[in-house]
Amino acid sequence: AQSVTQPDIHITVSEGASLELRCNYSYGATPYLFWYVQSPGQGLQLLLKYFSGDTLVQGIKGFEAEFKRSQSSFNLRKPSVHWSDAAEYFCAVITGGGNKLTFGTGTQLKVEL
Amino acid sequence: DGGITQSPKYLFRKEGQNVTLSCEQNLNHDAMYWYRQDPGQGLRLIYYSQIVNDFQKGDIAEGYSVSREKKESFPLTVTSAQKNPTAFYLCASSAGLRTGVFFGPGTRLTVL
Repeated sequence: AQSVTQPDIHITVSEGASLELRCNYSYGATPYLFWYVQSPGQGLQLLLKYFSGDTLVQGIKGFEAEFKRSQSSFNLRKPSVHWSDAAEYFCAVITGGGNKLTFGTGTQLKVEL
Repeated sequence: DGGITQSPKYLFRKEGQNVTLSCEQNLNHDAMYWYRQDPGQGLRLIYYSQIVNDFQKGDIAEGYSVSREKKESFPLTVTSAQKNPTAFYLCASSAGLRTGVFFGPGTRLTVL
């Protein structure tokens, strides 16, 4: 079955440092991939999405992600993290014949001032 | 403002009682979804509906029921058959998965 794996449960970075959150997917064809962010006690907000074309995708809030088919990865990056980026981040993939969105278990980001 | 409304934000119920969580959207989206979130488990799909009067079970539908009588509404009932109902419940809608899924603010259900 198609799925996504986020190997890092928690990540801590210093404000101003660069960030990379990992996401690996298992899927036979070209997947449709997403990154979402969730602040505590809130719903999820879409950061960016990838379907095809340019493998480097730009999103909101200064985030970007790169699709690498050879590594089955879709890692989220940000050059300089702000304290307000502290949140939980979820990678997701369309599954179920195109009818469902399946999420990874999330990565909790802590930003040290 | 367009968006998804979930009410209430916090809900407490006694064990053995059924409870219905409300979800309304004014985005004119055809598809709606219910997810359950537990710490360390990400989001798991309970039910989804791609059109009015039709819905499908997700990955963890046991102990839950839904209805889709109106395009803008997709209420979720947590029945007494659900063994561990305490969780954060998120409703979402979409005009098509490729355009993205948009989430409501969630309802935190606590069963005492």
